[in-house]
Amino acid sequence: GAVVSQHPSWVICKSGTSVKIECRSLDFQATTMFWYRQFPKQSLMLMATSNEGSKATYEQGVEKDKFLINHASLTLSTLTVTSAHPEDSSFYICSAATGLTSTDTQYFGPGTRLTVL
Amino acid sequence: SQQGEEDPQALSIQEGENATMNCSYKTSINNLQWYRQNSGRGLVHLILIRSNEREKHSGRLRVTLDTSKKSSSLLITASRAADTASYFCATLVTGGGNKLTFGTGTQLKVEL
Repeated sequence: GAVVSQHPSWVICKSGTSVKIECRSLDFQATTMFWYRQFPKQSLMLMATSNEGSKATYEQGVEKDKFLINHASLTLSTLTVTSAHPEDSSFYICSAATGLTSTDTQYFGPGTRLTVL
Repeated sequence: SQQGEEDPQALSIQEGENATMNCSYKTSINNLQWYRQNSGRGLVHLILIRSNEREKHSGRLRVTLDTSKKSSSLLITASRAADTASYFCATLVTGGGNKLTFGTGTQLKVEL
């Protein structure tokens, strides 16, 4: 089956630093990747939709200058949390889909736990 | 805003019992999906039911969909301790491309 990986699986950083999280589709080409954030004991909230070769589409309330998304290839998208603060501590999950239509299945990565001290 | 609301928020049962979780949503959908998440881990896709389907089975899982009531239920039969996890419904909204909107989730605990 389709596999999506994330790196790192967890990261601890100091307040004010930037952190980059990678999302890779290992055995298929992902036209679209999605980034979600999940706070403890809460649901997944979609942050942005990333299409290969174009700018990401951010959900309402998500700061695009703080959460930089790059989808430079069909197998890699990156999320950079810039100037991270303790309130950015969360579980970040990506998913990848082969297309833009409703019939395209999303495959989820294992998540990245970010802790900002 | 959240598309799906799930109930109960938490459910604790004994091994061997059945577990039922419900999901309600607000707008027209293409399909509804159920996922499982073990604590601190990624999501595992369980089952997808399309808007023109009413019931679907997969092993010990049974999913129903009532589009007139905008609700779905997930039944896990003969539960096992390994079923302990959080369960989320997610909807693919009509006209929303392939963007999923997740429900609030049900935390299931199956005790020996």
